[in-house]
Amino acid sequence: ETGVTQSPTHLIKTRGQQVTLRCSSQSGHNTVSWYQQALGQGPQFIFQYYREEENGRGNFPPRFSGLQFPNYSSELNVNALELDDSALYLCASTNLPGGEQYFGPGTRLTVT
Amino acid sequence: ELKVEQNPLFLSMQEGKNYTIYCNYSTTSDRLYWYRQDPGKSLESLFVLLSNGAVKQEGRLMASLDTKARLSTLHITAAVHDLSATYFCAVDIKAAGNKLTFGGGTRVLVKP
Repeated sequence: ETGVTQSPTHLIKTRGQQVTLRCSSQSGHNTVSWYQQALGQGPQFIFQYYREEENGRGNFPPRFSGLQFPNYSSELNVNALELDDSALYLCASTNLPGGEQYFGPGTRLTVT
Repeated sequence: ELKVEQNPLFLSMQEGKNYTIYCNYSTTSDRLYWYRQDPGKSLESLFVLLSNGAVKQEGRLMASLDTKARLSTLHITAAVHDLSATYFCAVDIKAAGNKLTFGGGTRVLVKP
């Protein structure tokens, strides 16, 4: 059984650029959630996708957007990057919206 | 809005002694989770607590849940250096789409 994977591991972007982060859910899981973890803080919920539809969103601006594909993998897109977007981005999957979430290794984004 | 508070924020431990981390949350929840995070790494699930009075133990860690007091504790028995990490509690509410709300974390440093 393959766990949750994320790519890339690290990346550096310049303020104003756009970035796409990717997540492959654990086998058999159809729900993916994204979290942002700033340095020294707890993760914050960005949004969740269930069967290719957004199923809940946290307090993040519209420049944070996502997709889920038929194989249940997911992308997080962030436009017009700001310095405060520098964080560890975590993806978690579960087999249904109410199930326990399993976290991937994260993507460390640095915005300069 | 669900709020989750942990204390203390930082805990300096001596090896061999016992300590407790507290997690308070503001509204009724369906599940409470404890996670461990090593520097630069993702979240490692420690415990899932589902009901009032639930107690789970793994090695030197024991977690308990009092839903009436909206309080969970993570007790560390005879601390060892390997337990140095940041510990997070998180709460979810099914009605809110299984969005996890995290506490701010407790950074634990175990000194010889």
